Amino acid sequence: AQSVTQPDIHITVSEGASLELRCNYSYGATPYLFWYVQSPGQGLQLLLKYFSGDTLVQGIKGFEAEFKRSQSSFNLRKPSVHWSDAAEYFCAVGLYTGGFKTIFGAGTRLFVKA
Amino acid sequence: KAGVTQTPRYLIKTRGQQVTLSCSPISGHRSVSWYQQTPGQGLQFLFEYFSETQRNKGNFPGRFSGRQFSNSRSEMNVSTLELGDSALYLCASSLGLDRVASGANVLTFGAGSRLTVL
Repeated sequence: AQSVTQPDIHITVSEGASLELRCNYSYGATPYLFWYVQSPGQGLQLLLKYFSGDTLVQGIKGFEAEFKRSQSSFNLRKPSVHWSDAAEYFCAVGLYTGGFKTIFGAGTRLFVKA
Repeated sequence: KAGVTQTPRYLIKTRGQQVTLSCSPISGHRSVSWYQQTPGQGLQFLFEYFSETQRNKGNFPGRFSGRQFSNSRSEMNVSTLELGDSALYLCASSLGLDRVASGANVLTFGAGSRLTVL
């Protein structure tokens, strides 16, 4: 069955430090991959997506993610974290099963310390 | 353009009651998906509707049901509520077409309906 694993329930980084959030997926075919962010009191917002082509994708707010087929991973990165990046981040995989279905990981909560 | 609108935003029910939640998608979006979000569980997929037809269903009991109307608005219903049904219920819309490269299946989420079951 298709699944998405985010190994880290929460991560704390210092403001200005780099960030990497891990995501592994299980899916037999070519995956369609997403990262969403949920800020306190706000809805889920798309950060970036990978459908095909260049395996390094750029998103909003300075985020990027790299698709590595050999590792079944789609890790999210940011070179310098800002306090406003504190939020919960969800990795997701999309697949066609009669319609397009998006499956989400359990999320990683990011804390940013001054 | 207006985003995805969910009503009500907050509601409190007691065990055994039923609840109906509503979702109005972005204009032109024909696919509506529903998710249940609970702490530590992430977003669990409930079902997806496209042009009034349920195309996908998650692993939830039959107490959870939904429908979609001809104007693409969708409702979900939970009958015989249990304490464990307390959650944030999220609705998301998309074009829902079979054209992945165009981003036709990127989800836009509503703010959610927070259900508390006492």
